[in-house]
Amino acid sequence: DTAVSQTPKYLVTQMGNDKSIKCEQNLGHDTMYWYKQDSKKFLKIMFSYNNKELIINETVPNRFSPKSPDKAHLNLHINSLELGDSAVYFCASAPTGSTYNEQFFGPGTRLTVL
Amino acid sequence: AQSVTQLDSQVPVFEEAPVELRCNYSSSVSVYLFWYVQYPNQGLQLLLKYLSGSTLVKGINGFEAEFNKSQTSFHLRKPSVHISDTAEYFCATLYAGGTSYGKLTFGQGTILTVHP
Repeated sequence: DTAVSQTPKYLVTQMGNDKSIKCEQNLGHDTMYWYKQDSKKFLKIMFSYNNKELIINETVPNRFSPKSPDKAHLNLHINSLELGDSAVYFCASAPTGSTYNEQFFGPGTRLTVL
Repeated sequence: AQSVTQLDSQVPVFEEAPVELRCNYSSSVSVYLFWYVQYPNQGLQLLLKYLSGSTLVKGINGFEAEFNKSQTSFHLRKPSVHISDTAEYFCATLYAGGTSYGKLTFGQGTILTVHP
């Protein structure tokens, strides 16, 4: 029954490695997002996809590359991990329609780079 | 550009006492306003939202918030808190005039700790 799921929940890795975080939603939504929550709990948008098309791309290093194989999935691949990438990454999804549609968040993936 | 300021980083309160978590926003355009709650080691859950209409909005778990356009504020209140309300609360805005793909702009969060 999970609406927005992320795997893994925890990810510990060494500097310089490449890793991926997966996100899936079963709500039938067309729009998906990645947010980053840093060590001070500050939440900021990274990317947004609508129908597999990149809509929002904030100032994020090129090492971060989102991939949307279909509307229900938005994965985040990170190359050459750095210490500063340690954070909690949240996936969210929302339906497409007029005006406003509520964003539903996943449980988060806590990434620790050593 | 939009910005959100939550005036208190931490708010300790005793059980059954009232609480107010303050949020001010800055925007040159119309925005929608939200409060999200994050329980320890969990994702964000929408508490309530203001889109239009009545400036007093009610949400889940007995929370309410009042939109004050002149003061650009959207403070969250609960008349009597429970231990289970201990969590981090985030105020957020969304540009009201754009597409529905919009990005949320979050405040820094307020940790509410309810003591017995």
